[in-house]
Amino acid sequence: GQQVMQIPQYQHVQEGEDFTTYCNSSTTLSNIQWYKQRPGGHPVFLIQLVKSGEVKKQKRLTFQFGEAKKNSSLHITATQTTDVGTYFCAGNEVTGGGNKLTFGTGTQLKVEL
Amino acid sequence: DAMVIQNPRYQVTQFGKPVTLSCSQTLNHNVMYWYQQKSSQAPKLLFHYYDKDFNNEADTPDNFQSRRPNTSFCFLDIRSPGLGDAAMYLCATSRDSDSYSYEQYFGPGTRLTVT
Repeated sequence: GQQVMQIPQYQHVQEGEDFTTYCNSSTTLSNIQWYKQRPGGHPVFLIQLVKSGEVKKQKRLTFQFGEAKKNSSLHITATQTTDVGTYFCAGNEVTGGGNKLTFGTGTQLKVEL
Repeated sequence: DAMVIQNPRYQVTQFGKPVTLSCSQTLNHNVMYWYQQKSSQAPKLLFHYYDKDFNNEADTPDNFQSRRPNTSFCFLDIRSPGLGDAAMYLCATSRDSDSYSYEQYFGPGTRLTVT
């Protein structure tokens, strides 16, 4: 079955430093979604990438989808304490009527003052 | 506000004692999902409903069952909980589509403890 790996597993940064998490799928993805889960919270949707080579920005967050649609990355510029949490990419398989997500292994981000 | 609600937020059950977790939604989404998330791991899809059509993941144990009596409600039944079933159980919903995929909206989860 589809496997989605993320690196690094953990990242500690000082506030103001940049952060990047990389996502790699064993199979070609139709599209990819990114979610953020705060400590003790539930996953919250951030963005979906559909096109090969697509780049999207949300304020300090930049998301990229690889040309081969097998990898993706999330880059946060100048991290803040509010960025703390685990970031998951999720490979998406559209089924008849819904979409099945295969979550990546996640990258836990800690931001220190 | 439209949302996904899970009750209870915390559930303690005894080894082997059946337990039911509930999920309700006010988003009027046709698709509902149940995920299991163990500590420091990614959510793992157990099954999902497209309307009343039930779709089980191949590796979901038979110990896990689900019911969806109407659009708004979905239940997760664990027939004989084992210690390995202790986890956070997340319910999610999404719009339905044949070709386009939509974001999933997650509830706050139910943390299950098995004693």
